Amino acid sequence: QKEVEQDPGPLSVPEGAIVSLNCTYSNSAFQYFMWYRQYSRKGPELLMYTYSSGNKEDGRFTAQVDKSSKYISLFIRDSQPSDSATYLCAPNAGGTSYGKLTFGQGTILTVHP
Amino acid sequence: NAGVTQTPKFRVLKTGQSMTLLCAQDMNHEYMYWYRQDPGMGLRLIHYSVGEGTTAKGEVPDGYNVSRLKKQNFLLGLESAAPSQTSVYFCASRGSGRSNEQFFGPGTRLTVL
Repeated sequence: QKEVEQDPGPLSVPEGAIVSLNCTYSNSAFQYFMWYRQYSRKGPELLMYTYSSGNKEDGRFTAQVDKSSKYISLFIRDSQPSDSATYLCAPNAGGTSYGKLTFGQGTILTVHP
Repeated sequence: NAGVTQTPKFRVLKTGQSMTLLCAQDMNHEYMYWYRQDPGMGLRLIHYSVGEGTTAKGEVPDGYNVSRLKKQNFLLGLESAAPSQTSVYFCASRGSGRSNEQFFGPGTRLTVL
């Protein structure tokens, strides 16, 4: 079993929809939970990250972490065609892990007008 | 600031040939990483470096070597390319602060025939 599992989709939604992207993980040492966005044929870019359990909101994006169930979520409100990309969850153990990230498989999202 | 740059952008090799991928960053970052990205697999860590002159193995190091002779450069070498090494290779760098954000380059698309 992979350390981080993410449904690869693809996910197709109409503009304005609420999108829910999810990952599960098995390593209890993970403390930082990153979400990267990757446009086609580009490198990943950090979208947002959360430390430990809880919620974090940034504009139309909300990241949630439930460490008790080892579940990570990213919600996109009022989705736009420009949100069409691959979304990758990437937890990190912090401390002496040297910043190493463990990526999920990525979810391909298409928002159509 | 160019951020993280990768050379070359594309390359086609024959089985058994060798090549070196170059990653350069101008952010004075301590940490650098090499990943490969394959369909449905997310990004997998090949090798990483925690500072000039250091290297360490990641999740999938076999068939690759790396060197970090200068802080700003991280080289990935394939001594004898195999078709299984056909992939998109990404380099990333990270500062030594608390943030675990990794900054990614644009990628190198490598095909081994």
